Amino acid sequence: DQQVKQNSPSLSVQEGRISILNCDYTNSMFDYFLWYKKYPAEGPTFLISISSIKDKNEDGRFTVFLNKSAKHLSLHIVPSQPGDSAVYFCAASAGKIIFGKGTRLHILP
Amino acid sequence: EAGVAQSPRYKIIEKRQSVAFWCNPISGHATLYWYQQILGQGPKLLIQFQNNGVVDDSQLPKDRFSAERLKGVDSTLKIQPAKLEDSAVYLCASSLEVHEQYFGPGTRLTVT
Repeated sequence: DQQVKQNSPSLSVQEGRISILNCDYTNSMFDYFLWYKKYPAEGPTFLISISSIKDKNEDGRFTVFLNKSAKHLSLHIVPSQPGDSAVYFCAASAGKIIFGKGTRLHILP
Repeated sequence: EAGVAQSPRYKIIEKRQSVAFWCNPISGHATLYWYQQILGQGPKLLIQFQNNGVVDDSQLPKDRFSAERLKGVDSTLKIQPAKLEDSAVYLCASSLEVHEQYFGPGTRLTVT
């Protein structure tokens, strides 16, 4: 029973273009949504979050959009940079955090 | 500020052996988490401590896994006996509040 789904295992984007990572969820009780970034041999690092009462949160090059009616959120990275190449985990919280399987983002030169 | 420390970084054991992992959280963080991340999956919460007490251990296989947090600081996670399916990265995290957890580098366990 996957409550947080990231349906794209990988994504390749040209440097300088926009990267869009998608996430779907099933539990209406989630009150907070988060994105974590993970480099090889390191633990995940917190990137950005959004409360369920908002529909957008922006932090520099990173913007998260939440569509509650569709139970969908997305992370936009613009412009994409080589250092953005990593695995991105979508996560949702209803007391404890539940992670998706991750999407590997490749930024192409 | 020092991050979350974990040791060892890598461990290889045979099935039915025991193994222990250690975690030192960020100073002042009352909440400590242990996650299991199997290859190709996201981290899965095993156990959450608030100071010395267990908040959530609903997904901890208690017949073989145990964890403790002495004096509300360091924590150890033990597996005894290990099975092949326990091969994973074990991540420790700490936080002041649940929505911003700081993860350690993890321990990669291989059970042969």
